[in-house]
Amino acid sequence: QSALTQPASVSGSPGQSITISCTGTRSDIRAFNYVSWYQHHPGKAPKLLIYEVNHRPSGVSNRFSGSKSGNTASLTISGLQADDEADYYCNSYTTSDSRVFGTGTKVTVL
Amino acid sequence: QVLLVESGGGVAQPWRSLRLSCAASGFPFYTYAMHWVRQAPGKGLEWLAHASFDASKTDYADSVKGRFTISRDNPKNTLYLQIDSLRPEDTGVYYCVREILGRIGFDYWGQGTLVTVSS
Repeated sequence: QSALTQPASVSGSPGQSITISCTGTRSDIRAFNYVSWYQHHPGKAPKLLIYEVNHRPSGVSNRFSGSKSGNTASLTISGLQADDEADYYCNSYTTSDSRVFGTGTKVTVL
Repeated sequence: QVLLVESGGGVAQPWRSLRLSCAASGFPFYTYAMHWVRQAPGKGLEWLAHASFDASKTDYADSVKGRFTISRDNPKNTLYLQIDSLRPEDTGVYYCVREILGRIGFDYWGQGTLVTVSS
């Protein structure tokens, strides 16, 4: 169960769009449409942004969107805001009935 | 509202055992699958364990299989994580997490309880 691979950091200016990638294997991301994304401000509980690749829970801004192609899932944040500065994690269900998180991406708003 | 409150963390010595608890309220606990997730200092999130709504099915990360045991007491609305043979690398914040009903994803998280393994 190796962690999914995410870029360590991504940055953008207010109003811009950024995309965070999450690369796995045929045993996790490729095998299922069960990728979710979380926003984590240090010291607070993580927050669900996207589940099952591209479903947004009620109350989550439509500035957050998800997609998947092959072994790689992506989270796009459009109209970047100061409060988007946080750590972001992907997660996938796996063929061994477990879950695996990504390595995490620190988003900086310039 | 949905509340998940973890307890049982603290300082523990290596090789000892610890049991974490998570008190759930604000939703029908007995219908939801639950998980434990941890974050070591300066590290990312790590999924640890899952229990189905009735605990008939449990799953573990390979890194903790054999040392961690997840369980639940539905009448008491409580989730547990038993950690045996504590190691320094078990140090971290442990989160109790609810799975979305009928879907795959973690929709509610507790605030976490800090476990520090040190002699």
